[in-house]
Amino acid sequence: EAEVAQSPRYKITEKSQAVAFWCDPISGHATLYWYRQILGQGPELLVQFQDESVVDDSQLPKDRFSAERLKGVDSTLKIQPAELGDSAMYLCASSLSGITGELFFGEGSRLTVL
Amino acid sequence: SQQGEEDPQALSIQEGENATMNCSYKTSINNLQWYRQNSGRGLVHLILIRSNEREKHSGRLRVTLDTSKKSSSLLITASRAADTASYFCATDAIQGAQKLVFGQGTRLTINP
Repeated sequence: EAEVAQSPRYKITEKSQAVAFWCDPISGHATLYWYRQILGQGPELLVQFQDESVVDDSQLPKDRFSAERLKGVDSTLKIQPAELGDSAMYLCASSLSGITGELFFGEGSRLTVL
Repeated sequence: SQQGEEDPQALSIQEGENATMNCSYKTSINNLQWYRQNSGRGLVHLILIRSNEREKHSGRLRVTLDTSKKSSSLLITASRAADTASYFCATDAIQGAQKLVFGQGTRLTINP
């Protein structure tokens, strides 16, 4: 069964360091999402791609976060510099096209900033 | 910004009982989805209900949608210990940005 792959599964870093997360969506899925989930809360959308184009990044803290999906397939989310408040689960999801259908989520990358 | 709000925040029941979770939202939607998340894992899609639908079933799950009240409910019948998880509703608003917005979730615990 096709899955959304994410790495690393866990990351511990010190504040001010750079962190990167990688996501490989299900083959053929045009839409890719990065969500941030703070413990005990629901996921919050950081960025949404349609193919290689950003559709929504209104909640992405652009002073320190960046995301790319250069060839419209896999994607990287970067944080530089990391801050204590960035500790969270970073979830990647994909869908065939847009939000009219279900999203398929990866297992997430758990970030702890010390 | 959270569009959907689940109620209750936490629910603990005995195995075999039914569990009902509610979701309220603020603006008109195209569809509403329910997801499940086991602790420390990713979310898994359960069911999608469109704005022109009132009820949908999938196995032991029953979802209702009342667009006049801007609310939805998820019923899990004959609960099992394996149903222990957090459950989230997610909405796709008609107006504004085309994105799926999740609520805060209901943490369901099934006691054996």
